[in-house]
Amino acid sequence: ELKVEQNPLFLSMQEGKNYTIYCNYSTTSDRLYWYRQDPGKSLESLFVLLSNGAVKQEGRLMASLDTKARLSTLHITAAVHDLSATYFCAVEKKTSGSRLTFGEGTQLTVNP
Amino acid sequence: SAVISQKPSRDICQRGTSLTIQCQVDSQVTMMFWYRQQPGQSLTLIATANQGSEATYESGFVIDKFPISRPNLTFSTLTVSNMSPEDSSIYLCSVSTSRYEQYFGPGTRLTVT
Repeated sequence: ELKVEQNPLFLSMQEGKNYTIYCNYSTTSDRLYWYRQDPGKSLESLFVLLSNGAVKQEGRLMASLDTKARLSTLHITAAVHDLSATYFCAVEKKTSGSRLTFGEGTQLTVNP
Repeated sequence: SAVISQKPSRDICQRGTSLTIQCQVDSQVTMMFWYRQQPGQSLTLIATANQGSEATYESGFVIDKFPISRPNLTFSTLTVSNMSPEDSSIYLCSVSTSRYEQYFGPGTRLTVT
């Protein structure tokens, strides 16, 4: 059974600081997704990582994938208040037919 | 990308009743899914909605409780049957596009009293 674990689950940080959210998964995967969810809202797609060594960046967020370590990271650079949200990673297992298994989510709060 | 709409956006229902949630996509998609997000929790896949055939349910979810229809490549419904307070959740449909991206609808917030 595929298991996806994120840490930390809660993260409070100061504006301007850097931090990394980790996503570990238990079996070989095909693709890894990062989503953002604001309170009371649906999920916004941030990144899709397709292969080992993949790195994608958008603004202050950068995601990477190491399939050998079964690890993805979401790095936040110089955080701003607008980044406060819950971030989910989700793994699509090979032969799963595009079904996603989600991590528990990381609730990020950026304080002024 | 795909634009997904869901109806209703929220509802408050009595115990023992059923609610049907609709999901409409603005383009034809092969894969459609239904997820549940319980309060303060992550997302759990309920089932894959298969066009022209019975849905494929994940462990812990059964057709009698969550019947799903998928009459064409742009539309699906999920029914939550014989509801109890434990069914209070956000129900989201999602689609997988040919570009290996997955998008989520706005969700239906269900409260069962």
